[in-house]
Amino acid sequence: QKEVEQNSGPLSVPEGAIASLNCTYSDRVSQSFFWYRQYSGKSPELIMSIYSNGDKEDGRFTAQLNKASQYVSLLIRDSQPSDSATYLCAVRYYTGANSKLTFGKGITLSVRP
Amino acid sequence: DGGITQSPKYLFRKEGQNVTLSCEQNLNHDAMYWYRQDPGQGLRLIYYSQIVNDFQKGDIAEGYSVSREKKESFPLTVTSAQKNPTAFYLCASTPPGGSNQPQHFGDGTRLSIL
Repeated sequence: QKEVEQNSGPLSVPEGAIASLNCTYSDRVSQSFFWYRQYSGKSPELIMSIYSNGDKEDGRFTAQLNKASQYVSLLIRDSQPSDSATYLCAVRYYTGANSKLTFGKGITLSVRP
Repeated sequence: DGGITQSPKYLFRKEGQNVTLSCEQNLNHDAMYWYRQDPGQGLRLIYYSQIVNDFQKGDIAEGYSVSREKKESFPLTVTSAQKNPTAFYLCASTPPGGSNQPQHFGDGTRLSIL
């Protein structure tokens, strides 16, 4: 069974701080990694994707990937109360000719005004 | 506008009843997926389909069935064999272009037992 672990949380940060969300995965051959944001009662929305080792920045969000250590993280700079949500890490695994996403259980972030 | 439409938004099932959740997309995506989400949990894959008239079981397929007769449609039936159906059900699809493509989700259907 392919695993995606998001063990830290819930996380609470003050407004304006940096929020750091971490995720580890079990399959070394995984190639595609995604972060989704899910507000309470809503469906997940894609906020970042990353495929190569290193950092990828998009506005206040930075995704970091380290394939050797099998972790992917999401940094949120200048956190806002509107960032309060559950963040889901997803990893694409291959099963023969098919591929599918496996999701972690999510980390709930609360940004205090 | 293009998107993924799930209906109904809320659904109630009686004991011993089968219910069908609708998922329609007009994005011309080939691959479609059904997930189940329980409170405080991540998404678990029920079934997925890469092309019309073909689908595969996911991690928790027991008590569920699907069909894929049209590219645009991937309905999920929750059968009476699924003893704990109360959950948030999400349909997703993936654009063509290889495994780097992310999944995009519909708004979900919340199913409860009467």
